[in-house]
Amino acid sequence: GAVVSQHPSWVICKSGTSVKIECRSLDFQATTMFWYRQFPKQSLMLMATSNEGSKATYEQGVEKDKFLINHASLTLSTLTVTSAHPEDSSFYICSASEGYGELFFGEGSRLTVL
Amino acid sequence: AQTVTQSQPEMSVQEAETVTLSCTYDTSESNYYLFWYKQPPSRQMILVIRQEAYKQQNATENRFSVNFQKAAKSFSLKISDSQLGDTAMYFCAFMKHSGANSKLTFGKGITLSVRP
Repeated sequence: GAVVSQHPSWVICKSGTSVKIECRSLDFQATTMFWYRQFPKQSLMLMATSNEGSKATYEQGVEKDKFLINHASLTLSTLTVTSAHPEDSSFYICSASEGYGELFFGEGSRLTVL
Repeated sequence: AQTVTQSQPEMSVQEAETVTLSCTYDTSESNYYLFWYKQPPSRQMILVIRQEAYKQQNATENRFSVNFQKAAKSFSLKISDSQLGDTAMYFCAFMKHSGANSKLTFGKGITLSVRP
């Protein structure tokens, strides 16, 4: 299957700083990528849909100014958590679509805000 | 809007036995995909099995099979000969059949423990 890579896998930052998480499709072009947030023992919550070359579509209740998404190329989408606070600590997962009815997931990124 | 319901939060099974995880969904779409994903402690999402709604035949992948009842909107996963490595969280998911923008709608998940 296709490979999606996320980086970093774990990041610790101080409150008030910004953190960038990258999601790359390694062996296919992904016109669409999705960003999820997951709390322990809970389901994945879709945050936004990222489309190459256009603005991301955010789900209701997700602050677009807090979670900046940039999909600058067909193989890279980034999620920047701006002015992070402890309540932003979570597990963030991306997925990418080839457009054939299957999504491929990254390994996830654990964010801890002190 | 689509909804996916997994009503059992936890299940436990003895190694080598068979277990069935239940899932129901609601949609007005006629063409869609259904998935079961496994999330082990590493938290990497792993596709277990995929079913296309227009196919009547139930999907099978080695020890994993589904019972897809389209009219009842039910999509259960059967794991045969359970192994310790099957211990994980399992998510049922729905996707509309509409191209690259199609997003997954997940159920709440079920934590499966396989006992030695």
